[in-house]
Amino acid sequence: SAVISQKPSRDICQRGTSLTIQCQVDSQVTMMFWYRQQPGQSLTLIATANQGSEATYESGFVIDKFPISRPNLTFSTLTVSNMSPEDSSIYLCSGRDRDNYGYTFGSGTRLTVV
Amino acid sequence: GDSVTQMEGPVTLSEEAFLTINCTYTATGYPSLFWYVQYPGEGLQLLLKATKADDKGSNKGFEATYRKETTSFHLEKGSVQVSDSAVYFCALKSGDSSYKLIFGSGTRLLVRP
Repeated sequence: SAVISQKPSRDICQRGTSLTIQCQVDSQVTMMFWYRQQPGQSLTLIATANQGSEATYESGFVIDKFPISRPNLTFSTLTVSNMSPEDSSIYLCSGRDRDNYGYTFGSGTRLTVV
Repeated sequence: GDSVTQMEGPVTLSEEAFLTINCTYTATGYPSLFWYVQYPGEGLQLLLKATKADDKGSNKGFEATYRKETTSFHLEKGSVQVSDSAVYFCALKSGDSSYKLIFGSGTRLLVRP
């Protein structure tokens, strides 16, 4: 199955700044997704990253706050913009494997906003 | 909309005890069902999956059977180990074309020696 490399693994950022998280997949995946996991909580889907076009956002998430790019089948970025302490969470990317239709996850980015 | 409900945690067991973590779902169509495990400080790992009714997923001694009549996918293990301590998430992929995974709230398992 696919292996996803996600970076950075953690960061501490000042409020009002932005952070870009990268995910690189070692093989082609049909779809990529970005999730947020707030402390002690489950995963909430932020958006589906579409290759070469605008991402599809879930209710409560907007492009101005979480711009996403996916220039090719194996790479995607999520930017957390104008951060506030409420954005402190773990952010995870996921890919749907084209061969076995399983879903692989990156190791996550633990973001703390101070 | 589609949803997943898991039993509340934490679940605390002694080593070699029997484990059940309940998971029920609501979905239209024919969802695929998954169990993921998250060890402390790590991302999610697929534990097992089932794609149609009566399928049994199994891995590392864990099992779950897709029960359409009760809309359930309970996770079981006959004898837990300390190394099984983690958070377990039940999830479904809708039968529609969105391919999104919808997660339950997660159940923390603590296994004591």
